[in-house]
Amino acid sequence: GQNIDQPTEMTATEGAIVQINCTYQTSGFNGLFWYQQHAGEAPTFLSYNVLDGLEEKGRFSSFLSRSKGYSYLLLKELQMKDSASYLCAPQGDTGRRALTFGSGTRLQVQP
Amino acid sequence: EPEVTQTPSHQVTQMGQEVILRCVPISNHLYFYWYRQILGQKVEFLVSFYNNEISEKSEIFDDQFSVERPDGSNFTLKIRSTKLEDSAMYFCASASGTGDYEQYFGPGTRLTVT
Repeated sequence: GQNIDQPTEMTATEGAIVQINCTYQTSGFNGLFWYQQHAGEAPTFLSYNVLDGLEEKGRFSSFLSRSKGYSYLLLKELQMKDSASYLCAPQGDTGRRALTFGSGTRLQVQP
Repeated sequence: EPEVTQTPSHQVTQMGQEVILRCVPISNHLYFYWYRQILGQKVEFLVSFYNNEISEKSEIFDDQFSVERPDGSNFTLKIRSTKLEDSAMYFCASASGTGDYEQYFGPGTRLTVT
């Protein structure tokens, strides 16, 4: 089965840095995605980690430890538009690699 | 930039009716998916489709659901006899499958069953 755990809500200040953690237990694992979802909209891709370590992409970075079943998303220089839900999504290694989404972390950026 | 499109954006139907949700994946993509999100809940996988057949499906995807790629561009999800609990946002996604595993999501169809 799949079990994904991430904080329900976080609050941070504009310009600051925030780290959103995700732990997962999956029966098969190929890699881990992070998606951003604004209310009422579709998820949009942020990052993908398949190997251990840090992947940096502008203001967003994502880290993966396969042995620990742990990932985090780091958002720097927070902007008001970053207020959204952030979805951790491990990818299975069977079939055509469906994504299993966590419940998401709702981030509120305050001025 | 290529994108996944979905129609309609909002569908209202009565319980017991059949609905067809339509998606046009990105043109050179080979893998297609349907997900749903009940209001306030997480995004849930329904089904994946490759090479004109279902490659994986979840427990949610029971006999009431079917998918089809009737031509070279459309990918449809049919619900035969809708139930109140089918009310949700339905997202279509596609992936190229050639080294890039990112799934690109469409804007979704909000299905309301009354």
